[in-house]
Amino acid sequence: DIQMTQSPSSLSASVGDRVTITCRASQSISSYLNWYQQKPGKAPKLLIYAASSLQSGVPSRFSGSGSGTDFTLTISSLQPEDFATYYCQQSYSTFTFGPGTKVDIK
Amino acid sequence: QITLKESGPTLVKPTQTLTLTCTFSGFSLSTSGVGVGWIRQPPGKALEWLALIYWDDDKRYSPSLKSRLTITKDTSKNQVVLTMTNMDPVDTATYYCAHSAVDTAMAPYYYYGMDVWGQGTTVTVSS
Repeated sequence: DIQMTQSPSSLSASVGDRVTITCRASQSISSYLNWYQQKPGKAPKLLIYAASSLQSGVPSRFSGSGSGTDFTLTISSLQPEDFATYYCQQSYSTFTFGPGTKVDIK
Repeated sequence: QITLKESGPTLVKPTQTLTLTCTFSGFSLSTSGVGVGWIRQPPGKALEWLALIYWDDDKRYSPSLKSRLTITKDTSKNQVVLTMTNMDPVDTATYYCAHSAVDTAMAPYYYYGMDVWGQGTTVTVSS
């Protein structure tokens, strides 16, 4: 089974900050990596697929990079609506989510 | 416009079997490359992927829960059903269904994530 880890597990940031979240797979998953945003009481929303492709309708301040085992989600300038929990997910072998990274207000 | 909606019991007893139905619109599960999956989230915890079924009846299961899960589709009704046996209080969660896809033009196939989600349904396991 492929395991996913994320770091940090939580972070505090201010509006306008550049935020980076890291996701690591236990084995190479090529670019089979997706990122989701989830707000309290809501279903997750797909942000990035294939490691770096922006889902339609997602603001361009979100970007993804990486391949193999190490991946990054970057928010270039944090907006008030971006405070949420972010999950990575591999789709290389069945599907596995990471444990999540909570982004809250500093 | 793609929409999905989960339905099923809100309360089940330990050892019982849970049956959840995902009713969708805006796409067909007979179309090449289309899939519908199930994901759950215990209160305050992370997302956990459970199962997914594709247009060609290819079924994928979480390795840790495979023995307890069955996923089926009814293309004529636009529904996907997930059954989970031997329910336990730790299975208390919000259960989501979601649309997914696979790019069969690529070699190997590229399996996309879940791009449209239902609102979720809360299931509590308690005697």
